[in-house]
Amino acid sequence: DGGITQSPKYLFRKEGQNVTLSCEQNLNHDAMYWYRQDPGQGLRLIYYSQIVNDFQKGDIAEGYSVSREKKESFPLTVTSAQKNPTAFYLCASSIGLAGPEQYFGPGTRLTVT
Amino acid sequence: GQQVMQIPQYQHVQEGEDFTTYCNSSTTLSNIQWYKQRPGGHPVFLIQLVKSGEVKKQKRLTFQFGEAKKNSSLHITATQTTDVGTYFCAGPGGGADGLTFGKGTHLIIQP
Repeated sequence: DGGITQSPKYLFRKEGQNVTLSCEQNLNHDAMYWYRQDPGQGLRLIYYSQIVNDFQKGDIAEGYSVSREKKESFPLTVTSAQKNPTAFYLCASSIGLAGPEQYFGPGTRLTVT
Repeated sequence: GQQVMQIPQYQHVQEGEDFTTYCNSSTTLSNIQWYKQRPGGHPVFLIQLVKSGEVKKQKRLTFQFGEAKKNSSLHITATQTTDVGTYFCAGPGGGADGLTFGKGTHLIIQP
């Protein structure tokens, strides 16, 4: 059964701690993305990766970091430098960049207090 | 950079009424995609339009791509409670940035 998985669904952290969100896909897609969604807002691109060992900053990369060591995996670390980390984080993948449809994971809702 | 704007931000309709959301891009798009996000869920791909003036239908949903390939619309005929959610349009960003999403239109249906 192919798809994208994100874990955990809900995550709670104390301010000042780094936290890593997991994203795994078995669709054999080259491109992967991380978006942030705030209440009533659209999707804002944090980072994207076109291929293994390569990734690019999106519109709101400050305070976040990623890695792409395997094609299937694209974890996102929310660092303590991110001023407003509480949000809904969505991971997506597509066959390639800029055109094909994106498949989204179920998301991780991060709350930092 | 490229901007994708959607209106309205919120739309309340009575069940059975029609609904339309509009999407406008600051630049010409090679294609436009539409996604639906149910409350508490994640965006799900609906359709992609590629050709100038293209019109596609999915049951009660009609999608249009403008002649200049800078605007698009989604029209739902006779809304049902299952249509509740947020509808996003998205177009390829400048360079190799993937997709730029609009802020979405939240459809609220009153029975």
